[in-house]
Amino acid sequence: EAAVTQSPRNKVAVTGGKVTLSCNQTNNHNNMYWYRQDTGHGLRLIHYSYGAGSTEKGDIPDGYKASRPSQENFSLILELATPSQTSVYFCASGDLLGGRADQDTQYFGPGTRLLVL
Amino acid sequence: GDSVTQKQGQVTLSEDDFLFINCTYSTTTYPTLFWYVQYPGQGPQLLLKVTTANNKGISRGFEATYDKGTTSFHLQKASVQESDSAVYFCALVDNMGYKLTFGTGTSLLVDP
Repeated sequence: EAAVTQSPRNKVAVTGGKVTLSCNQTNNHNNMYWYRQDTGHGLRLIHYSYGAGSTEKGDIPDGYKASRPSQENFSLILELATPSQTSVYFCASGDLLGGRADQDTQYFGPGTRLLVL
Repeated sequence: GDSVTQKQGQVTLSEDDFLFINCTYSTTTYPTLFWYVQYPGQGPQLLLKVTTANNKGISRGFEATYDKGTTSFHLQKASVQESDSAVYFCALVDNMGYKLTFGTGTSLLVDP
């Protein structure tokens, strides 16, 4: 079974502070993703990575940085946290989608709930 | 760019009712389409996948059919159970196979 873990699971931060969210996958997938989930918006892609050393901007990258130091680890960094970044953040891993295999998918972690005061 | 639309924000049913969730999409390529389910306190997980090759996906009693004419892929289930209460997302993968675009989700509550 594919496994994606996230830490911390809950975080309270102050406005202007630095926040780092960590993600680890044991699936040996090349691609990793960071999403945020907000009511009325569904899941929105922040950053993603094709492999160690690479990071790409997703649909809403402003205010976020990402780091992929290894195949297994992908971090999301909020250098100057703002209350608008209060959300639930999900990490995911996966290989290329769209093939004929019924089960190719992105595997999601359990989420990190971030509150910025 | 790609987009998916789920207009039903919340659906409340009783056990054994028929479920129908509508999703429409917009893309410039032949799409591969997904339905994800998210249970409380968990991340989304794959429910089923539909491609232009098979036009239909079936999993755990759920069925989704892709309609190119109306650019839609609805999710349906003949008889829902309380355990089906969750949030359901439709999603579209980009033509490179890397990025998913999600709908806003439909929250299903099934009363026992």
